[in-house]
Amino acid sequence: DGGITQSPKYLFRKEGQNVTLSCEQNLNHDAMYWYRQDPGQGLRLIYYSQIVNDFQKGDIAEGYSVSREKKESFPLTVTSAQKNPTAFYLCASSILAGGPSSYNEQFFGPGTRLTVL
Amino acid sequence: SQQGEEDPQALSIQEGENATMNCSYKTSINNLQWYRQNSGRGLVHLILIRSNEREKHSGRLRVTLDTSKKSSSLLITASRAADTASYFCATERQTSGSRLTFGEGTQLTVNP
Repeated sequence: DGGITQSPKYLFRKEGQNVTLSCEQNLNHDAMYWYRQDPGQGLRLIYYSQIVNDFQKGDIAEGYSVSREKKESFPLTVTSAQKNPTAFYLCASSILAGGPSSYNEQFFGPGTRLTVL
Repeated sequence: SQQGEEDPQALSIQEGENATMNCSYKTSINNLQWYRQNSGRGLVHLILIRSNEREKHSGRLRVTLDTSKKSSSLLITASRAADTASYFCATERQTSGSRLTFGEGTQLTVNP
C-alpha cells in the first residue's frame, strides 16, 4: 500500500448522516483521487485533485464532497444526498499532474469499506 | 461509461499454466496500465505500456498493445496460486489529463 493511508478501514453510517473518509500520502505526489468500487465491479472516479486548493468532479460526484487544503491530504465526505453509499472506497495518488506525455502510475491506499445501516 | 472492458470476466487455471487476459478500449490513449487487486485490498500497479509501444515485459508478465484494434493483453506465465487476484486495465486518455479509466476486471483463480 506504499505511503498512502486511509482511515478508518471499516465505517458504519446511519441513514441521513454525513461521514468523512481520510486519505493521507507522504509520497509528495501532486495528484490525488477518490474511487468507488462496488462488489465484482471496477473502479469509478468520484473526485480528483491535481493541485492544492483545486479539484474536479469525476464520473459519479453527486452526493460526495472533497477538499484539498494540504498536498498530503484529500478527505472525502459522503453526504446524506448519496442515496446508495455502501461501497468500498479507494484513494490513490500519482506523482505527475497530467499533460500530454505524463506518466501516471497511481498508488493506492488499502481502502475504506463503508456500510450504511 | 467504462473505457476499458476486460475479457474474460473470470478465469480459472492450474498452477504452472499461463493466464491471458484481454482489455479493449474506445478512445485514443497516452498509455494503458494493468493493476492487480487482492480481495478487499487496494490496487497495485503492475506494468504500463505507452501508446507507441507494442510489447513490454516485466518478470513473468508480458503486455501487448494494439492501438489499431484498441486492445491490450496481459499474459502471466507459469502461474502460481499467489497470482490469484483481480486484474484491471486502466487507460489514460489523450484528453483526460491525469485521470485513469478502469475496466471491470478479470478475476483470476490459480488452483494449486
